[in-house]
Amino acid sequence: QVQLQQWGAGLLKPSETLSLTCAVYGGSFSGYYWSWIRQPPGKGPEWIGKINHSGSTDYNPSLKSRVTLSVDTSKNQFSLNLSSVTAADTAVYYCARVGLYCRGTDCYRPVDYWGQGTLVTVSS
Amino acid sequence: EIVLTQSPGTLSLSPGERATLSCRASQTIRSSYLAWYQQKPGQAPRLLIYGASIRATGIPDRFSGSGSGTDFILTISRLEPEDFAVYYCQQCASSPFTFGPGTKVDIK
Repeated sequence: QVQLQQWGAGLLKPSETLSLTCAVYGGSFSGYYWSWIRQPPGKGPEWIGKINHSGSTDYNPSLKSRVTLSVDTSKNQFSLNLSSVTAADTAVYYCARVGLYCRGTDCYRPVDYWGQGTLVTVSS
Repeated sequence: EIVLTQSPGTLSLSPGERATLSCRASQTIRSSYLAWYQQKPGQAPRLLIYGASIRATGIPDRFSGSGSGTDFILTISRLEPEDFAVYYCQQCASSPFTFGPGTKVDIK
């Protein structure tokens, strides 16, 4: 059974850097992409980006200038850094696995495992 | 970026009734790379459907998905008490993998 456990600071001041780390237990680490998704209070989720075991990344263009994803394959962990935060970055942040399900010639990549979520509040 | 719109915003139904949730995309989603999730308060979303119509492992068969192109439907055939939640669609066809704003299914 795959489990994701995340941690990091929950209260930041404007202009600081948000840092979260997610550890993966169970299953293959190298065979998947690993993602960060955030959800502002009362709103739908927002895709931040994804990274694989070799460090290949894909970022949401709306956040790309401030986001850095990194991976530590020796610990089966991946991390999110978001710089210059503002109140608009207040949200629950989730780490998650991008699954891989193939049927015939089609391979689907839904998000199938999620961390417990971390509420990050940006306030002066 | 593909923008997803969900309707209705809120659906008020009674247990045992049928729920029909809509997700519309701003452009064609190739190969039906559309997923549905259920979220309850204080919890992470849970994967229900991927590939527009394929139930994820352990999902009851009262949940079904359909559609292609730009229009997709999630149907819950008979609502159970545990089905009252918020439902999100997500496209996994092109980056960024955007989500819809959600449909809340609440008890009438």
